[in-house]
Amino acid sequence: SAVISQKPSRDICQRGTSLTIQCQVDSQVTMMFWYRQQPGQSLTLIATANQGSEATYESGFVIDKFPISRPNLTFSTLTVSNMSPEDSSIYLCSVEVSGRFAEAFFGQGTRLTVV
Amino acid sequence: AQSVAQPEDQVNVAEGNPLTVKCTYSVSGNPYLFWYVQYPNRGLQFLLKYITGDNLVKGSYGFEAEFNKSQTSFHLKKPSALVSDSALYFCAVRDRNVGFNKFYFGSGTKLNVKP
Repeated sequence: SAVISQKPSRDICQRGTSLTIQCQVDSQVTMMFWYRQQPGQSLTLIATANQGSEATYESGFVIDKFPISRPNLTFSTLTVSNMSPEDSSIYLCSVEVSGRFAEAFFGQGTRLTVV
Repeated sequence: AQSVAQPEDQVNVAEGNPLTVKCTYSVSGNPYLFWYVQYPNRGLQFLLKYITGDNLVKGSYGFEAEFNKSQTSFHLKKPSALVSDSALYFCAVRDRNVGFNKFYFGSGTKLNVKP
């Protein structure tokens, strides 16, 4: 398995500002993903973080709003830019590891409140 | 199009009774199927998966699930519920025939186990 450390665990931010969320994994992973989850609701995939290249975004999500970096095989960041109250959500980092076929592991999430 | 349905927003059971959380899916090809559990303020934890082989899959914490291809279902079951099983449960599917086989999550079912 993989141990995923996600920071911060929660934050309250002013509208119009940006927040960068970090995801650190204790081992090299093949794939890293970022999800958004409204409290008590399902997960929506934002993008796949590609090592050394631009992230692959899902429909409805754009790089200007959610820039993603993945400088190596164990670390990624998601930035929520120019925030509005509609961005209030839980943001989850997820990874896939070799040897755990087709499974995904999740960080504990970042609970973001925009005021 | 790929999709997952969890028809029950909430399931209530008494401690010691058997529990079932329902899941049906739709994929264009053959599925990989998963159950995840989410405790309050935590990320998702892997419970079990169906990849191939025996239709009855056993997972963590005494949970099991049965893959039924004809009914396109993958219901989660446990013979005797515990109060500590109370959490949010997500069914997920991946289409093994799709090149980039991302996860599709159901809407989640809140399980309440009463003492």
